[in-house]
Amino acid sequence: QTVVTQEPSLTVSPGGTVTLTCASSTGAVSSGNYPNWFQQKPGQAPRPLIYSISYKHSWTPARYSGSLLGGKAALTLSGVQPEDEAEYYCLIYYGGAWFFGGGTKLTVL
Amino acid sequence: QVQLQESGPGLVKPSETLSLTCTVSGASVSGGRDYWTWIRQPPGKGLEWIGHVYYSGNTFYSPSLKSRVTISLGAPKNQFSLKVTSVTAADTAVYYCARASVVLRNFDNWGQGALVTVSS
Repeated sequence: QTVVTQEPSLTVSPGGTVTLTCASSTGAVSSGNYPNWFQQKPGQAPRPLIYSISYKHSWTPARYSGSLLGGKAALTLSGVQPEDEAEYYCLIYYGGAWFFGGGTKLTVL
Repeated sequence: QVQLQESGPGLVKPSETLSLTCTVSGASVSGGRDYWTWIRQPPGKGLEWIGHVYYSGNTFYSPSLKSRVTISLGAPKNQFSLKVTSVTAADTAVYYCARASVVLRNFDNWGQGALVTVSS
Protein backbone atom coordinates (compact mmCIF):
# COMPACT_ATOMS: atom_id res chain seq x y z
CA GLN A 1 0.00 0.00 0.00
CA THR A 2 1.22 3.46 -0.93
CA VAL A 3 2.22 5.67 2.00
CA VAL A 4 2.17 9.44 1.46
CA THR A 5 4.30 11.54 3.79
CA GLN A 6 3.93 15.22 4.67
CA GLU A 7 5.62 17.39 7.28
CA PRO A 8 3.53 17.06 10.47
CA SER A 9 3.79 20.75 11.25
CA LEU A 10 5.29 23.99 9.98
CA THR A 11 5.36 27.53 11.31
CA VAL A 12 5.56 30.69 9.21
CA SER A 13 5.44 34.40 9.97
CA PRO A 14 2.76 36.60 8.41
CA GLY A 15 3.95 37.81 5.03
CA GLY A 16 6.48 35.03 4.76
CA THR A 17 6.81 32.13 2.36
CA VAL A 18 6.51 28.44 3.20
CA THR A 19 6.66 25.24 1.17
CA LEU A 20 4.83 22.07 2.14
CA THR A 21 5.89 18.81 0.53
CA CYS A 22 4.29 15.45 -0.26
CA ALA A 23 6.35 12.32 -0.82
CA SER A 24 5.28 8.88 -2.00
CA SER A 25 6.65 5.54 -0.82
CA THR A 26 6.37 4.28 -4.43
CA GLY A 27 9.01 6.73 -5.68
CA ALA A 28 9.13 10.17 -7.20
CA VAL A 29 5.80 11.95 -7.54
CA SER A 30 5.07 12.75 -11.17
CA SER A 31 2.32 14.17 -13.35
CA GLY A 32 0.82 10.70 -13.54
CA ASN A 33 0.06 10.89 -9.82
CA TYR A 34 -2.16 13.97 -10.35
CA PRO A 35 -1.27 15.52 -6.97
CA ASN A 36 -4.05 17.51 -5.33
CA TRP A 37 -3.86 19.83 -2.33
CA PHE A 38 -6.62 20.65 0.16
CA GLN A 39 -6.96 23.09 3.04
CA GLN A 40 -9.04 22.16 6.08
CA LYS A 41 -9.98 24.35 9.01
CA PRO A 42 -11.52 22.98 12.22
CA GLY A 43 -15.10 21.84 11.83
CA GLN A 44 -15.11 22.36 8.07
CA ALA A 45 -14.98 20.10 5.05
CA PRO A 46 -11.71 20.12 3.10
CA ARG A 47 -11.43 22.90 0.55
CA PRO A 48 -9.74 22.01 -2.74
CA LEU A 49 -6.80 24.29 -3.63
CA ILE A 50 -4.62 22.71 -6.33
CA TYR A 51 -4.98 19.79 -8.75
CA SER A 52 -2.74 18.01 -11.26
CA ILE A 53 0.42 19.48 -9.69
CA SER A 54 -0.20 23.17 -10.27
CA TYR A 55 -3.70 23.95 -11.54
CA LYS A 56 -5.75 26.22 -9.34
CA HIS A 57 -9.49 26.17 -8.74
CA SER A 58 -11.32 29.39 -9.48
CA TRP A 59 -11.46 30.20 -5.76
CA THR A 60 -7.80 29.49 -4.98
CA PRO A 61 -5.94 32.64 -3.89
CA ALA A 62 -3.04 33.67 -6.12
CA ARG A 63 -0.57 33.28 -3.25
CA TYR A 64 -0.95 29.49 -3.43
CA SER A 65 1.07 27.58 -6.02
CA GLY A 66 1.81 23.93 -6.69
CA SER A 67 4.86 22.27 -8.21
CA LEU A 68 7.10 19.22 -8.25
CA LEU A 69 10.24 19.65 -6.18
CA GLY A 70 12.96 17.06 -5.76
CA GLY A 71 10.66 14.12 -6.50
CA LYS A 72 7.88 15.41 -4.28
CA ALA A 73 4.73 17.40 -4.83
CA ALA A 74 4.98 20.83 -3.25
CA LEU A 75 2.58 23.55 -2.17
CA THR A 76 4.06 27.02 -1.73
CA LEU A 77 2.33 29.87 0.04
CA SER A 78 3.81 33.29 -0.66
CA GLY A 79 2.83 36.30 1.41
CA VAL A 80 1.16 34.18 4.07
CA GLN A 81 -1.95 35.62 5.71
CA PRO A 82 -3.29 34.81 9.20
CA GLU A 83 -6.27 33.06 7.59
CA ASP A 84 -3.91 30.54 5.98
CA GLU A 85 -3.47 28.84 9.34
CA ALA A 86 -5.00 25.41 8.76
CA GLU A 87 -4.32 21.75 8.10
CA TYR A 88 -3.16 20.97 4.55
CA TYR A 89 -3.52 17.58 2.90
CA CYS A 90 -2.04 16.26 -0.31
CA LEU A 91 -3.65 13.50 -2.32
CA ILE A 92 -1.99 11.41 -5.00
CA TYR A 93 -3.17 8.81 -7.49
CA TYR A 94 -1.43 5.47 -7.84
CA GLY A 95 -2.53 2.23 -9.41
CA GLY A 96 -6.20 3.17 -9.67
CA ALA A 97 -6.54 4.35 -6.07
CA TRP A 98 -5.99 7.65 -4.30
CA PHE A 99 -3.89 8.13 -1.17
CA PHE A 100 -3.91 11.05 1.24
CA GLY A 101 -0.91 12.31 3.12
CA GLY A 102 -1.14 12.58 6.89
CA GLY A 103 -1.54 16.35 6.73
CA THR A 104 0.59 19.36 7.65
CA LYS A 105 -0.57 21.68 10.40
CA LEU A 106 0.46 25.16 9.33
CA THR A 107 0.76 27.74 12.09
CA VAL A 108 1.00 31.45 11.24
CA LEU A 109 2.85 33.16 14.06
CA GLN B 1 -23.82 24.80 -8.98
CA VAL B 2 -23.09 21.24 -7.90
CA GLN B 3 -24.10 20.28 -4.38
CA LEU B 4 -23.70 17.02 -2.49
CA GLN B 5 -25.42 16.01 0.74
CA GLU B 6 -24.70 12.95 2.87
CA SER B 7 -27.48 11.24 4.79
CA GLY B 8 -27.84 8.14 6.95
CA PRO B 9 -27.80 6.86 10.53
CA GLY B 10 -25.42 8.63 12.87
CA LEU B 11 -25.02 5.61 15.13
CA VAL B 12 -24.19 2.04 14.12
CA LYS B 13 -23.59 -0.97 16.37
CA PRO B 14 -20.31 -2.90 16.18
CA SER B 15 -20.33 -5.77 13.66
CA GLU B 16 -23.27 -4.23 11.77
CA THR B 17 -23.30 -2.47 8.38
CA LEU B 18 -22.82 1.27 7.96
CA SER B 19 -24.94 2.72 5.14
CA LEU B 20 -24.80 6.26 3.78
CA THR B 21 -26.35 7.97 0.78
CA CYS B 22 -25.10 11.01 -1.11
CA THR B 23 -27.72 13.07 -2.94
CA VAL B 24 -26.36 15.10 -5.85
CA SER B 25 -27.84 18.23 -7.40
CA GLY B 26 -26.49 20.25 -10.29
CA ALA B 27 -24.81 17.27 -11.95
CA SER B 28 -25.84 13.79 -13.01
CA VAL B 29 -24.25 10.68 -11.51
CA SER B 30 -24.99 9.10 -14.89
CA GLY B 31 -23.22 11.87 -16.81
CA GLY B 32 -19.99 10.00 -17.45
CA ARG B 33 -17.67 12.84 -16.52
CA ASP B 34 -17.10 12.14 -12.87
CA TYR B 35 -16.01 9.65 -10.26
CA TRP B 36 -18.47 9.71 -7.35
CA THR B 37 -16.29 9.36 -4.30
CA TRP B 38 -16.40 8.60 -0.58
CA ILE B 39 -13.75 9.89 1.83
CA ARG B 40 -13.67 9.65 5.61
CA GLN B 41 -11.94 11.31 8.55
CA PRO B 42 -11.80 9.79 12.06
CA PRO B 43 -12.10 12.37 14.82
CA GLY B 44 -8.85 14.29 15.20
CA LYS B 45 -7.16 12.33 12.41
CA GLY B 46 -6.42 12.68 8.71
CA LEU B 47 -8.40 12.02 5.56
CA GLU B 48 -8.78 8.57 4.01
CA TRP B 49 -9.98 7.89 0.46
CA ILE B 50 -12.50 5.03 0.56
CA GLY B 51 -13.35 4.55 -3.11
CA HIS B 52 -15.41 5.70 -6.05
CA VAL B 53 -18.04 4.64 -8.57
CA TYR B 54 -18.21 5.62 -12.23
CA TYR B 55 -21.42 6.20 -14.21
CA SER B 56 -21.06 2.70 -15.69
CA GLY B 57 -21.16 1.20 -12.22
CA ASN B 58 -17.46 0.36 -12.24
CA THR B 59 -15.88 0.81 -8.84
CA PHE B 60 -12.43 1.10 -7.29
CA TYR B 61 -11.71 0.82 -3.59
CA SER B 62 -8.93 1.53 -1.14
CA PRO B 63 -6.81 -1.61 -0.78
CA SER B 64 -7.15 -1.40 3.01
CA LEU B 65 -10.98 -1.31 2.94
CA LYS B 66 -11.73 -3.29 -0.21
CA SER B 67 -13.03 -6.41 1.56
CA ARG B 68 -15.69 -4.49 3.52
CA VAL B 69 -16.81 -1.66 1.22
CA THR B 70 -19.41 -1.36 -1.52
CA ILE B 71 -20.13 1.86 -3.41
CA SER B 72 -23.02 1.93 -5.86
CA LEU B 73 -25.13 4.30 -7.92
CA GLY B 74 -28.65 5.05 -6.78
CA ALA B 75 -30.53 4.92 -10.07
CA PRO B 76 -33.12 6.13 -10.80
CA LYS B 77 -32.42 8.72 -8.15
CA ASN B 78 -29.43 11.02 -8.59
CA GLN B 79 -27.63 9.43 -5.67
CA PHE B 80 -24.81 7.10 -4.81
CA SER B 81 -24.28 5.10 -1.68
CA LEU B 82 -21.69 3.59 0.63
CA LYS B 83 -21.87 0.40 2.64
CA VAL B 84 -19.21 -0.73 5.11
CA THR B 85 -19.72 -4.13 6.67
CA SER B 86 -18.55 -5.53 10.01
CA VAL B 87 -17.85 -2.12 11.49
CA THR B 88 -15.76 -1.49 14.59
CA ALA B 89 -14.98 1.62 16.61
CA ALA B 90 -12.17 2.32 14.13
CA ASP B 91 -14.82 3.09 11.50
CA THR B 92 -16.12 6.01 13.56
CA ALA B 93 -15.52 9.03 11.34
CA VAL B 94 -16.95 11.94 9.44
CA TYR B 95 -17.85 10.55 6.03
CA TYR B 96 -17.68 12.89 3.04
CA CYS B 97 -19.02 12.34 -0.45
CA ALA B 98 -17.29 14.19 -3.26
CA ARG B 99 -17.20 14.60 -7.02
CA ALA B 100 -13.93 13.95 -8.85
CA SER B 101 -13.46 14.84 -12.50
CA VAL B 102 -12.37 11.94 -14.70
CA VAL B 103 -10.48 14.26 -17.03
CA LEU B 104 -9.05 16.85 -14.65
CA ARG B 105 -8.49 14.43 -11.75
CA ASN B 106 -9.63 17.05 -9.26
CA PHE B 107 -12.08 16.89 -6.40
CA ASP B 108 -14.00 20.12 -6.77
CA ASN B 109 -17.21 19.48 -4.90
CA TRP B 110 -17.65 18.02 -1.42
CA GLY B 111 -20.57 17.39 0.88
CA GLN B 112 -20.52 18.90 4.35
CA GLY B 113 -19.82 15.51 5.92
CA ALA B 114 -21.79 13.14 8.14
CA LEU B 115 -20.53 11.86 11.47
CA VAL B 116 -21.07 8.15 11.99
CA THR B 117 -20.30 6.71 15.41
CA VAL B 118 -19.85 2.99 15.94
CA SER B 119 -20.92 2.09 19.45
CA SER B 120 -23.17 -0.34 21.27
